[in-house]
Amino acid sequence: AQKVTQAQTEISVVEKEDVTLDCVYETRDTTYYLFWYKQPPSGELVFLIRRNSFDEQNEISGRYSWNFQKSTSSFNFTITASQVVDSAVYFCALKDNFNKFYFGSGTKLNVKP
Amino acid sequence: DAGVTQSPTHLIKTRGQQVTLRCSPKSGHDTVSWYQQALGQGPQFIFQYYEEEERQRGNFPDRFSGHQFPNYSSELNVNALLLGDSALYLCASSLAGTGVLNEQFFGPGTRLTVL
Repeated sequence: AQKVTQAQTEISVVEKEDVTLDCVYETRDTTYYLFWYKQPPSGELVFLIRRNSFDEQNEISGRYSWNFQKSTSSFNFTITASQVVDSAVYFCALKDNFNKFYFGSGTKLNVKP
Repeated sequence: DAGVTQSPTHLIKTRGQQVTLRCSPKSGHDTVSWYQQALGQGPQFIFQYYEEEERQRGNFPDRFSGHQFPNYSSELNVNALLLGDSALYLCASSLAGTGVLNEQFFGPGTRLTVL
C-alpha cells in the first residue's frame, strides 16, 4: 500500500530562518513520482517540485532545496531564509503507476516577521 | 491559458440532499481526478476519469459518482449527504499517461458544507 507521512503537524519560525519539512513515504512500486505542493489560505494547491524514483539528484531552486533519499524513503524540503509569504500548508505526495496521488497530512508552516 | 476551474466556489447543503460539483480541466488536458480534503487533512483521492470512463477509484462509497463529458469537463455527484462529507473538493487535470507531461494541475476547489 502507498503511504505518505509528514510527522510535523505545524512549524513556526522567525523570518530569515531556514526550515526543513520532512516527508517519509511507503511504496512497493519501483517507479513512482514524489511531489511537494504548497497550499496557501486560498486553498489552491500549488506545484513546487516533482522527482521520479530514478532521479535522486538533489536540487536547489532559489530559496528552495530538496533532499531525496531512496535508502530511507525520504523526500525532505528545505526553505532557506524563510519569508512571511512562505506561510502555508505544505503537502508531500506520491504518484503511483496508475496516476493516483497519495498525499500526506500536511505541515503548516508559520513564518513570523 | 485558463487553468483548472471549478464551480461553485462554496455550497451549503443539508443532510440527505444531493450535490453536483463541476470542473473544467486545463486546456489540452484529457484526464480529471477528484479529491476530498477534510479540514486539517491532506487531499484524499476519490476517482479519476479518462475517455469518459472512471479509470481509478479511491476508498469512497458509491454515494460518490462522477461523469466526464466529451469536452473533458467533469462532474462529481454526492448523494445522501452526510455531515462528514463537509470538505474542500479539489479537481485536478492532467494528460493521460505516466510520464513527466502528466503533471496534475489543481483547481481552487469547492467548499461544501453539510448542515
